[in-house]
Amino acid sequence: KAGVTQTPRYLIKTRGQQVTLSCSPISGHRSVSWYQQTPGQGLQFLFEYFSETQRNKGNFPGRFSGRQFSNSRSEMNVSTLELGDSALYLCASSLGGQAHQPQHFGDGTRLSIL
Amino acid sequence: AQKITQTQPGMFVQEKEAVTLDCTYDTSDPSYGLFWYKQPSSGEMIFLIYQGSYDQQNATEGRYSLNFQKARKSANLVISASQLGDSAMYFCAMSLNFNKFYFGSGTKLNVKP
Repeated sequence: KAGVTQTPRYLIKTRGQQVTLSCSPISGHRSVSWYQQTPGQGLQFLFEYFSETQRNKGNFPGRFSGRQFSNSRSEMNVSTLELGDSALYLCASSLGGQAHQPQHFGDGTRLSIL
Repeated sequence: AQKITQTQPGMFVQEKEAVTLDCTYDTSDPSYGLFWYKQPSSGEMIFLIYQGSYDQQNATEGRYSLNFQKARKSANLVISASQLGDSAMYFCAMSLNFNKFYFGSGTKLNVKP
């Protein structure tokens, strides 16, 4: 069974640009969550989508947005990039229909802002 | 406020010995899940073990066991017979209703040969 796939693995952007990251969940998983990981702030929750609807949201500015498609694939978009957006962005999927099921993570997208 | 606390930023353990990584949590919800993840230097997060708030027995998965003390709100990870490949960051996490997850700040474990 294929795991969670994130593309691209690495990305370099400059300030002010925008970026779109993609996540394909494990087959059958309907929940996709996004996290930002930095050395200083640790792992921070961005948002979670379930059946194409945003179900949970963390405390990030509106520059961070996401969506989920009918096949459960998800995209995350960051507009007007800032230097502080440099981070590892992790996507995690789970079945989502029941509470307290483990999330399974992709390898992440490492975003560097110049 | 919902919160996960890992008080050990870094730990060393001798190969083949057991090690306990601490985790405390804070929630008023009666229903929650507790998880441990391993993150090697390559970056991927690997699910290790799960404990439900209503589970009576401590969870075990191979060399991993979760020491669940509900009254103390602690969910410590015990790794038996440490191996060099166990060197990594370890994260404790809690899930609440509707799949909302909270992660601790992590503990960096170094296994010495």
